Amino acid sequence: AQTVTQSQPEMSVQEAETVTLSCTYDTSESDYYLFWYKQPPSRQMILVIRQEAYKQQNATENRFSVNFQKAAKSFSLKISDSQLGDAAMYFCAYRSGGRTSGSRLTFGEGTQLTVNP
Amino acid sequence: EAQVTQNPRYLITVTGKKLTVTCSQNMNHEYMSWYRQDPGLGLRQIYYSMNVEVTDKGDVPEGYKVSRKEKRNFPLILESPSPNQTSLYFCASSFWTSSYNEQFFGPGTRLTVL
Repeated sequence: AQTVTQSQPEMSVQEAETVTLSCTYDTSESDYYLFWYKQPPSRQMILVIRQEAYKQQNATENRFSVNFQKAAKSFSLKISDSQLGDAAMYFCAYRSGGRTSGSRLTFGEGTQLTVNP
Repeated sequence: EAQVTQNPRYLITVTGKKLTVTCSQNMNHEYMSWYRQDPGLGLRQIYYSMNVEVTDKGDVPEGYKVSRKEKRNFPLILESPSPNQTSLYFCASSFWTSSYNEQFFGPGTRLTVL
């Protein structure tokens, strides 16, 4: 079974600075997808960024980028120019690429990000 | 508007009183799923459905039931709720393909069992 670990329960960053959230995962599969979800106080789950394991290039979405290290099974999220609206719980998630597993997501424990003005 | 809806959003109940949390999606998704979120544990899958009349257990199915009689609806049933089922519940849906597909989440249901 796959596992996802986020070792930082809480992180804080000053507004306009950069912060990196860590995520490691364990799998024996070669085909999979990785995601970062944001959960603001409204509790809505918002997809921030996604990475296909077969792609070597790191995904980027505006101020959000990932550092995907497949051999190390590491998938960190970097938030540049942090804004007050970035304050939220962030979840790392794994999905198998195999057809039999469907769309099941395996989540990490979450990292609560605080942005200080 | 494409969305996943859940009802109720908040529910306080007592031990043993049967309840149903509804979930509906308007995107014609084959795949639907229920997760529960608990502090320090992230989200864990309870049950999922790959299509109408096809359901299967996730990681934490004990104490829950589901049904999928229509493609758009996937209710979660707690026949005899207990305090350890106090949690935040999410319904999610997506297309069923072997390639990447985004899961759409409902707004969540906060359940308290006294």
